[in-house]
Amino acid sequence: DQQVKQNSPSLSVQEGRISILNCDYTNSMFDYFLWYKKYPAEGPTFLISISSIKDKNEDGRFTVFLNKSAKHLSLHIVPSQPGDSAVYFCAARNYGQNFVFGPGTRLSVLP
Amino acid sequence: EAGVTQFPSHSVIEKGQTVTLRCDPISGHDNLYWYRRVMGKEIKFLLHFVKESKQDESGMPNNRFLAERTGGTYSTLKVQPAELEDSGVYFCASSQGFTSGPSGEQFFGPGTRLTVL
Repeated sequence: DQQVKQNSPSLSVQEGRISILNCDYTNSMFDYFLWYKKYPAEGPTFLISISSIKDKNEDGRFTVFLNKSAKHLSLHIVPSQPGDSAVYFCAARNYGQNFVFGPGTRLSVLP
Repeated sequence: EAGVTQFPSHSVIEKGQTVTLRCDPISGHDNLYWYRRVMGKEIKFLLHFVKESKQDESGMPNNRFLAERTGGTYSTLKVQPAELEDSGVYFCASSQGFTSGPSGEQFFGPGTRLTVL
């Protein structure tokens, strides 16, 4: 019973183009969402977050969009750079409880 | 400032043996979490300490897993006896707070890759 789904195991994008990573969730009580990035042999590092009271949060090249009615969020990276190649995890939480992570999407940015 | 550290980075043991993983959180972080990622699947929550107390251990798979956090500093996760399905990468994370927002951001260690043969 996966509460957070990332249906694309992998994604390849050309350098300079937009990368769009998607995440769907089933629990309507989730009120805070995070994206983490993970390089090989390292732990996940925090990238960007969004509260359920917002529908967009932007930080430099990274923007997260939240569509509560569709229980869907997405991470946009513009422009994509080779250093963005990593596994991206979506995570969600109901206030006071611990985070639930998705299985991750491996992004490859091709030079 | 040092990040979250984990030891060992890799461990290969035989089924039935015991393994102890260690995590040193960021200094001053009261919240410490253990997670496991199996075979490229999702990162699954195991348990959460606040200082030395177990706040939530709902993710612990069974009683072969024992976590401790002595004096609210470092934590250990012992698997005894290990089974084949315990193989995976065990991550530790720490945070200053537990609310949403920057204070609740979790900082992850590099993980311990456990292989049970």
